[in-house]
Amino acid sequence: DQQVKQNSPSLSVQEGRISILNCDYTNSMFDYFLWYKKYPAEGPTFLISISSIKDKNEDGRFTVFLNKSAKHLSLHIVPSQPGDSAVYFCAASGTYNFNKFYFGSGTKLNVKP
Amino acid sequence: SAVISQKPSRDICQRGTSLTIQCQVDSQVTMMFWYRQQPGQSLTLIATANQGSEATYESGFVIDKFPISRPNLTFSTLTVSNMSPEDSSIYLCSGKTGGYEQYFGPGTRLTVT
Repeated sequence: DQQVKQNSPSLSVQEGRISILNCDYTNSMFDYFLWYKKYPAEGPTFLISISSIKDKNEDGRFTVFLNKSAKHLSLHIVPSQPGDSAVYFCAASGTYNFNKFYFGSGTKLNVKP
Repeated sequence: SAVISQKPSRDICQRGTSLTIQCQVDSQVTMMFWYRQQPGQSLTLIATANQGSEATYESGFVIDKFPISRPNLTFSTLTVSNMSPEDSSIYLCSGKTGGYEQYFGPGTRLTVT
């Protein structure tokens, strides 16, 4: 039973436009969410996170939005750059066990020049 | 952040054999974890590596199949025992420094023939 889902396996965006990656979760006990970026032959790299007490967190070109009532979060990348082409994973954890991360299956983003 | 290295980066092994993967982290890391990413799937936590004591395994993973050692704060090993083709995966080591985020090593790509 997958508690974190990324329903879009791939996304293609033109350079300079906005990339929106989506993630849904089922467990209402999750209260911390993270996005990781993974290039081929490398480990996932932490990108940005958000606590459930917020609905938005911004870091440069990256913004994560959290909609707790819908159990949905999204990552916006503006403007998208070719170097952003990678697989993006969302992850969730709860204070009852903040060491255990539940990962989605990933979305492969391709930013076209 | 934290610096995490793994070796080997990849290996091809015959069924029935065992492979030990090494993970080295920098001194900022307090907790260490092992994950598996099967082809086309998300990252799944195998266990938390505890210094000087038995690892804490997640449901579906057992010590006989995945023995883990952590003799000191900065080093851990994961052994994949009696391998079968179903064990073909990427195995990742991660560490925490004190915040929520986990930082990942580059992974070990294992193929079992």
